[in-house]
Amino acid sequence: NAGVTQTPKFQVLKTGQSMTLQCAQDMNHEYMSWYRQDPGMGLRLIHYSVGAGITDQGEVPNGYNVSRSTTEDFPLRLLSAAPSQTSVYFCASSYFSEQFFGPGTRLTVL
Amino acid sequence: GENVEQHPSTLSVQEGDSAVIKCTYSDSASNYFPWYKQELGKGPQLIIDIRSNVGEKKDQRIAVTLNKTAKHFSLHITETQPEDSAVYFCAASKQAAGNKLTFGGGTRVLVKP
Repeated sequence: NAGVTQTPKFQVLKTGQSMTLQCAQDMNHEYMSWYRQDPGMGLRLIHYSVGAGITDQGEVPNGYNVSRSTTEDFPLRLLSAAPSQTSVYFCASSYFSEQFFGPGTRLTVL
Repeated sequence: GENVEQHPSTLSVQEGDSAVIKCTYSDSASNYFPWYKQELGKGPQLIIDIRSNVGEKKDQRIAVTLNKTAKHFSLHITETQPEDSAVYFCAASKQAAGNKLTFGGGTRVLVKP
């Protein structure tokens, strides 16, 4: 099993550009989540999903969209990138308690 | 919403000594408390967790204690080794599935040989 995979590993955007961060898991987990990690602030929940077709907002959802059309994939879309979205983004999946995190995407918005 | 505070932010210990990291949470409805270890350039990985119906849990050199009344929980690492050097995060959740986690700010642990 590959576990949780994320692409790309690094990305540089200009203010106002849009992009999609990809996340996929091959463990047949129902739960998937997106977090952002900023220095000194731990990880903050952006959006999460409890199954295909079901998504909900987390702590910091503004500026991000998600969809869950399949169990395996949970992409995160930045509609109009802003410098405040410079961060490391982690996707996670879980069946019950333990969340399995991907390797992260480091995003810089200029 | 839930707020989790974690202390200290950095911790330097001599190899073989113990390390203790403390967290407090604000929402008394939280019932699941995991600890994650993050090595450089990687995603966090679960090392131990505890639920609110248990006061203490051990797994080899690591242990977690929970005080529901005071709303705080702690991670204890004994006989520290250089490979324990990493960033550690505590978290809390009200969800039985633990998929909506509120994280503390993290503790960078350095074990000096």
